[in-house]
Amino acid sequence: AQSVTQLDSQVPVFEEAPVELRCNYSSSVSVYLFWYVQYPNQGLQLLLKYLSGSTLVKGINGFEAEFNKSQTSFHLRKPSVHISDTAEYFCAVNCRGGSNYKLTFGKGTLLTVNP
Amino acid sequence: EAGVAQSPRYKIIEKRQSVAFWCNPISGHATLYWYQQILGQGPKLLIQFQNNGVVDDSQLPKDRFSAERLKGVDSTLKIQPAKLEDSAVYLCASSLFIYDSYEQYFGPGTRLTVT
Repeated sequence: AQSVTQLDSQVPVFEEAPVELRCNYSSSVSVYLFWYVQYPNQGLQLLLKYLSGSTLVKGINGFEAEFNKSQTSFHLRKPSVHISDTAEYFCAVNCRGGSNYKLTFGKGTLLTVNP
Repeated sequence: EAGVAQSPRYKIIEKRQSVAFWCNPISGHATLYWYQQILGQGPKLLIQFQNNGVVDDSQLPKDRFSAERLKGVDSTLKIQPAKLEDSAVYLCASSLFIYDSYEQYFGPGTRLTVT
């Protein structure tokens, strides 16, 4: 079984400050890892994904994340946030192997960027 | 290209009534997913279709929920009868093929309120 833990339910930051949203996963097999963003009253949009290769992945809107296999983490970072980054962020895991590729989501982290 | 379409966007019903949601995936996408997102939680997979066949419905409450995907394109999710705990956002997503399921594209969702 796979699971995802997002350690912070809410993260308030000031505009232009750096931010890190934390995500840990558990899985008995190799994984694909994702970060999605959800703006109010909208569906989820893929920010970035780790499939294989370089452990540092870059996504849209200046976000990046680092896969750390030994710590089973996939933390999301941005060096300088904007008001428009205010949204809910979801980490998700998709286990490799087997006949069914199922996305399991964390509970989300609400990022609030204040002026 | 057009995204995943869902309707209605909002629905308010009384408990024990029935309700149906519609989803039109991205053209050419073989795999279609229905998720339930309860307030404060991440999306939970209810059912996954590959063309018009069900791949995974292990988390679908089959005593009250049903879904179909006739002709392998549009899909309908039905709840009958609804309970208070069914209040949630119902998200539809699609992907090209099941083994590409990490590339899921989400619709805007239908917000259901059961009173």
